[in-house]
Amino acid sequence: NAGVTQTPKFQVLKTGQSMTLQCAQDMNHEYMSWYRQDPGMGLRLIHYSVGAGITDQGEVPNGYNVSRSTTEDFPLRLLSAAPSQTSVYFCASSYSSDTSGSPLHFGNGTRLTVT
Amino acid sequence: GQQVMQIPQYQHVQEGEDFTTYCNSSTTLSNIQWYKQRPGGHPVFLIQLVKSGEVKKQKRLTFQFGEAKKNSSLHITATQTTDVGTYFCAGGGGGTSYGKLTFGQGTILTVHP
Repeated sequence: NAGVTQTPKFQVLKTGQSMTLQCAQDMNHEYMSWYRQDPGMGLRLIHYSVGAGITDQGEVPNGYNVSRSTTEDFPLRLLSAAPSQTSVYFCASSYSSDTSGSPLHFGNGTRLTVT
Repeated sequence: GQQVMQIPQYQHVQEGEDFTTYCNSSTTLSNIQWYKQRPGGHPVFLIQLVKSGEVKKQKRLTFQFGEAKKNSSLHITATQTTDVGTYFCAGGGGGTSYGKLTFGQGTILTVHP
């Protein structure tokens, strides 16, 4: 099993550009989520999904869109990139959306710079 | 909203010294998880605590959950250079959904040989 796979590893965007961060998991996990990590801020939840066709907002959803058309994939879209979106992005999945069920498995991250 | 505060933000120790990081929540937590992130890596799950006053050990690591389920700590005995990284706590306050899990800011541990 590959686990949680994120692409790309690095990306540089100009302000106003759009892009999609890809996330795929091969563990048949029900729950998938996107976090951003900024110095001194910990990990903040952007969007999450408890199953195919179901998505919900996390703590910092503005400027990001998601969809979950399959169990395996959970892409994160930046519609119009802003310098404030410069960050490291992690995709994470879990067998269950219940924290008592199983831990989060994180991908290797995408380092995004917006100039 | 729920806040999970983690201190200290940074900790520098000499190899062999002990290390402790603390998490405090503004609300009662249903459970707390701990993750470790090596430099340049991704967070990796360490442990979950659920019961009031619970104590769990993993070799040199001791995890505690407070009696009131509002605080937790991670203690490492006799640190080694392999312990370097950022340690995060994550608390669930609005039930047990991952959508309501809040991460602390993390403690960055540096171990000097």
